[in-house]
Amino acid sequence: AQKVTQAQTEISVVEKEDVTLDCVYETRDTTYYLFWYKQPPSGELVFLIRRNSFDEQNEISGRYSWNFQKSTSSFNFTITASQVVDSAVYFCALSGIITQGGSEKLVFGKGTKLTVNP
Amino acid sequence: DSGVTQTPKHLITATGQRVTLRCSPRSGDLSVYWYQQSLDQGLQFLIQYYNGEERAKGNILERFSAQQFPDLHSELNLSSLELGDSALYFCASSVAAGTGANEQFFGPGTRLTVL
Repeated sequence: AQKVTQAQTEISVVEKEDVTLDCVYETRDTTYYLFWYKQPPSGELVFLIRRNSFDEQNEISGRYSWNFQKSTSSFNFTITASQVVDSAVYFCALSGIITQGGSEKLVFGKGTKLTVNP
Repeated sequence: DSGVTQTPKHLITATGQRVTLRCSPRSGDLSVYWYQQSLDQGLQFLIQYYNGEERAKGNILERFSAQQFPDLHSELNLSSLELGDSALYFCASSVAAGTGANEQFFGPGTRLTVL
């Protein structure tokens, strides 16, 4: 069965600090996809990034960066120079592929609540 | 704005009642997913439809049912409501089904409160 663990329930930082959100996953699928979503206080879920299991290159998008390590089954998310607007709950998620016996449903972690204080 | 619309935004009802939640996917998306977000269970997948047909089922109760119509909008029906059904219900859509590669775009959710 697929499982996503976000061990950090809540993190509080001061503006301009860097912060890393951890995500560890379990799956028996050989091909799978990893995602990060942001849920601000308004409640909607905002897609941030998708990564497939064959691509271990790190990705940077502005102040956001992602580190995918297949060897440790981790897909961590770093926010550099955090801002108050980054305050949200962040979810890591995993999906499989139907053609390989998996499922396209997203399996979510419990989320990490990030609070950035001014 | 993800392009996925959900109505109503809020719903307050009593135990034993039946409600219908509606979702319109992004233009061009054929897959619709329903998820439930509650404090104790987190975000849980309920059901997926692709181009009108059920594609996958998750932890969806027998009291719950869904369908996707020819115009691709979807409805989630919740009946014999219990207090524990109070949650935020999300609909998501993606372009196609089969690869798992397509990111799912989420609607704003319907907050259901059962009193």
